Amino acid sequence: SQKIEQNSEALNIQEGKTATLTCNYTNYSPAYLQWYRQDPGRGPVFLLLIRENEKEKRKERLKVTFDTTLKQSLFHITASQPADSATYLCALVTDSWGKLQFGAGTQVVVTP
Amino acid sequence: SAVISQKPSRDICQRGTSLTIQCQVDSQVTMMFWYRQQPGQSLTLIATANQGSEATYESGFVIDKFPISRPNLTFSTLTVSNMSPEDSSIYLCSVESDRGRSETQYFGPGTRLLVL
Repeated sequence: SQKIEQNSEALNIQEGKTATLTCNYTNYSPAYLQWYRQDPGRGPVFLLLIRENEKEKRKERLKVTFDTTLKQSLFHITASQPADSATYLCALVTDSWGKLQFGAGTQVVVTP
Repeated sequence: SAVISQKPSRDICQRGTSLTIQCQVDSQVTMMFWYRQQPGQSLTLIATANQGSEATYESGFVIDKFPISRPNLTFSTLTVSNMSPEDSSIYLCSVESDRGRSETQYFGPGTRLLVL
């Protein structure tokens, strides 16, 4: 299985700034990689999927990049808002059935 | 998309007992997944449950400890058997977005279990 690393320290950021989260993996590059948001006491919510042949994906204020050479994905939240405060998880597909392996997540705290 | 409910939402159990967690989906899905999320940890896949076949368990998880039922395309149960404090965790079920192509998963709200 992969070793997936996300920043364990919480990211504290001021409202309006861009939050950048990192997801690094160690072995083979997956066919696709996903980012989820998890709020306390709730299940993860799917945000974005990026395939290995895609460099960048955007959805509203969210942007994901995927660099198979660096074995890294970056997740950006632009014009951050306090409502963006949550834990963000990256997940890599590990087989053709779509089985996912998750990172431990990075907590984002956006202050007004 | 899919709307998933889980019961119970939380429970406190005694060591040695068993708890069955239910997962209900508002649409028919082929594959359902059961995860465990221990405090401060990532989600760990326990098993994959397809309707009409035995569940497939990940390394470190066995059927005797975590029996799973999948009687139809909208429902599944996970039982945590002979519980110990180490089983205290959040248990989540999830489903694939489209039948046969699990590119995105939708998660239930989770069941928070505390074993004393």
